[in-house]
Amino acid sequence: AQSVTQPDIHITVSEGASLELRCNYSYGATPYLFWYVQSPGQGLQLLLKYFSGDTLVQGIKGFEAEFKRSQSSFNLRKPSVHWSDAAEYFCAVENTGGFKTIFGAGTRLFVKA
Amino acid sequence: DAGVTQSPTHLIKTRGQHVTLRCSPISGHKSVSWYQQVLGQGPQFIFQYYEKEERGRGNFPDRFSARQFPNYSSELNVNALLLGDSALYLCASSPLLGSEQYFGPGTRLTVT
Repeated sequence: AQSVTQPDIHITVSEGASLELRCNYSYGATPYLFWYVQSPGQGLQLLLKYFSGDTLVQGIKGFEAEFKRSQSSFNLRKPSVHWSDAAEYFCAVENTGGFKTIFGAGTRLFVKA
Repeated sequence: DAGVTQSPTHLIKTRGQHVTLRCSPISGHKSVSWYQQVLGQGPQFIFQYYEKEERGRGNFPDRFSARQFPNYSSELNVNALLLGDSALYLCASSPLLGSEQYFGPGTRLTVT
């Protein structure tokens, strides 16, 4: 069965420091992979997606993610965090049939001045 | 362009009651999915509809049902509400199956 694990419930990073949020997935084939961000009380905004091809994916707001098949991982990175990046981040996997997206439990990012 | 819209924004219901949540997808999008997000957790998939047909169903009881209309808008219905149904209900639309989803702001349901 598909599953997504985000090992870190919350992470605190200083403003200007680099960020890496971890995501591991379980799926029988190469899935579609996504990272979303959610601000308090809001819906989800897509940061980036991986369908196929280049394993390093660029997204919005300066985020990138790398798909590593051997590690079943899709970690999200940003070289320099801004205070406005404080939010909840969700990794998600979708089967290649295009239905039933499975989300991880999320990682709450705190940014300190 | 207008994004995904959901109504109502908030509502409060009593246990045992019925609720209907509504979603209008982005113009041109033919797929609508519904998710339940309990506080502190990730969204849980409930249903996906494409071209007015159910294409996927999550692990939710039969009290949950949905439908998609000819204009691709959708309704999620929940019968016999339980306290545990209190959550943010998210709707997402996509132009095709397997393409990226765009989420609405959600409907906050509180069951008392």
